[in-house]
Amino acid sequence: ETGVTQTPRHLVMGMTNKKSLKCEQHLGHNAMYWYKQSAKKPLELMFVYNFKEQTENNSVPSRFSPECPNSSHLFLHLHTLQPEDSALYLCASSPTRDLINTGELFFGEGSRLTVL
Amino acid sequence: GNSVTQMEGPVTLSEEAFLTINCTYTATGYPSLFWYVQYPGEGLQLLLKATKADDKGSNKGFEATYRKETTSFHLEKGSVQVSDSAVYFCALSDQSYNNDMRFGAGTRLTVKP
Repeated sequence: ETGVTQTPRHLVMGMTNKKSLKCEQHLGHNAMYWYKQSAKKPLELMFVYNFKEQTENNSVPSRFSPECPNSSHLFLHLHTLQPEDSALYLCASSPTRDLINTGELFFGEGSRLTVL
Repeated sequence: GNSVTQMEGPVTLSEEAFLTINCTYTATGYPSLFWYVQYPGEGLQLLLKATKADDKGSNKGFEATYRKETTSFHLEKGSVQVSDSAVYFCALSDQSYNNDMRFGAGTRLTVKP
């Protein structure tokens, strides 16, 4: 139990569907992240939020839309995805964004997304 | 290009064998270096870290030394157990990446009894 909870754990959707992934952290952290994990590729950092403000968007297609209503919750809204978007989506949090000094990311178990 | 390059897996070892997983990095500043581990069905968790050159991180029998001269942070364990079967990720945090965590592709380790 890392204190970061992701739902749903598994999601199958068609290319025309709209769905959302949810992440909740109970650690009192101020920074939250979405990563994409695909087989044999480095984890891809998608979005970073610090004190509810988006501070990083690593050229992610607009069919992925993040939302951070407060420091404890993070959503990833999905719309008209492609089969190549099938992956494990990981949420993480950290006390601050200063990972070079504080170091530790706390990850959820991930949401396994399959796009048909 | 990739900021972190680690050896491709999968790696399969017998119990009590010696483990090395190679990791090299590219960074313009003075990064902090990390190893994370992902057990089956779980998210990643921090295994060990080193924040400056020549530091040795260690945890659960694993260790890695921050080698600035070779830009490496190889993971080692003297005697692996079946319970060490997992995917291991090398990572760094550096000012050139806004201090965010950048990961390698992961190396899957399977330890057989």
